Formats: sequence, structure tokens, C-alpha cells
Amino acid sequence: QLQLQESGPGVVKPSETLSLTCTVSGASIASNSYYWGWIRQPPGKGLEWIGSIYYSGNTYYNPSLKSRVTISVDTSRNQFSLKLNSVTAADTAVYYCARLVAASGTPPQYFDCWGQGTLVTVSS
Amino acid sequence: QLVLTQSPSASASLGASVQLTCTLSSGHSSYAIAWHQQQPEKGPRYLMKLNSDGSHNKGDGIPDRFSGSSSGTERYLTISSLQSEDEADYYCQTWATGIQVFGGGTKLTVL
Repeated sequence: QLQLQESGPGVVKPSETLSLTCTVSGASIASNSYYWGWIRQPPGKGLEWIGSIYYSGNTYYNPSLKSRVTISVDTSRNQFSLKLNSVTAADTAVYYCARLVAASGTPPQYFDCWGQGTLVTVSS
Repeated sequence: QLVLTQSPSASASLGASVQLTCTLSSGHSSYAIAWHQQQPEKGPRYLMKLNSDGSHNKGDGIPDRFSGSSSGTERYLTISSLQSEDEADYYCQTWATGIQVFGGGTKLTVL
């Protein structure tokens, strides 16, 4: 059974870098049928897509966050990671990792499996 | 610009049916979407992918009470025989050339 688990610091200081890792179990991250993505949800608000990555390293980013975001993949550990730099209080949110369905060689489509999420608070 | 619009709230009685709507921006009537459910204090859960012709494929374990349909730029999620655990936020999601877009979500209250 596929499971995704987010991990990382629960508190990050303003202007510093938020770093999270998603560990995938029950399936190989090196599949040509899926991308892997990050989504966030500020308290009491809706979902915002951050970015997605293929096992080969191909990435797509939300244009509104692109200048501050880096997503990477480690196939040997079956993990992918998120770095968001120069954080402010507006980056306080629950961060989710998820799997996206993609036909071989095509861009990702929809999320079909989600992690439980991890709350990251930006505060000094 | 690809945009999804959802009503902020909906309500229906226990045991009744409810239809939630997700509207694609003009010019995007051929786009498929996905529906996701988020119960209180939980992560989202994939419900189904819904195509423009109304065909849909549901996630594992999603009850038959959940169904989807399409008309023009409208995408619908119908939940029949409402149960208390259906009280949740429902999000639609679509995609284009690798970019993902979410609707604002509909909060469903089961009376």
C-alpha cells in the first residue's frame, strides 16, 4: 500500500529556508507513470500547488513561488524534498506531499495519493 | 487563464443527495478535473478523475455513493445517501502543461 510521509522542522525563522522531505513507501519513486509533488494549505484556507518532480529530475513549479522553490529527488532513498527560501509568516501552512498520475512521457495530471501533512510555522 | 470556481459552501440533510459544482474558466470545456475530499483535521483524499464526457475513474475504496458528471465547463460531484462522515471540504483540481490548479473548495455541511 502506497504511503507518503512528510518530515522536517515544525518551526522556521523568518528569512531562513524551509526544508521538508517526503518518504515514499509501498512503491518505487522511479516509476515512469508518476510525478511527485508538494502542496500547502495556510490555516483556514485552500490548497496551493507548489511544484512537482519526475524521478529523472524534471520539474514544474508554481510561477508565483518559482523564484524561491527547489524540489529535488533521491531515488536511492525513495524520497523527494522541498526547499523554500526567504520565508515569511505568509509561508506558515500545512505542507503535503502527494503522487501525481502521468502517462509515460507526458506532464503530470492529477494527485491520486496524499500524505497526512506537516505544519510548518514561520516565527522568530 | 485556467481557473476553477467553486461555491464556498453547501448543505444537505442526512440521507439526502447533494451536487457540488466546479466551473472551468471559459474556453476550457474539454479539460478533465479531479475531485478531492478533505475531512476535518485530515489530509486530502483523492475521490475521482472526471473527464469532459462525464466518464470518471474513482480512487480505491471510494463508495458508489460518490459519482461525477460533466456539462460544458461544469463538473459535478454528486453524493447520494449522505452520511455524517461526508461533512468535509471538497476541492476540484485541474492541470495544463505541468501546472496544477485548485478550486477554492466547497465546505459541505450535513444537517
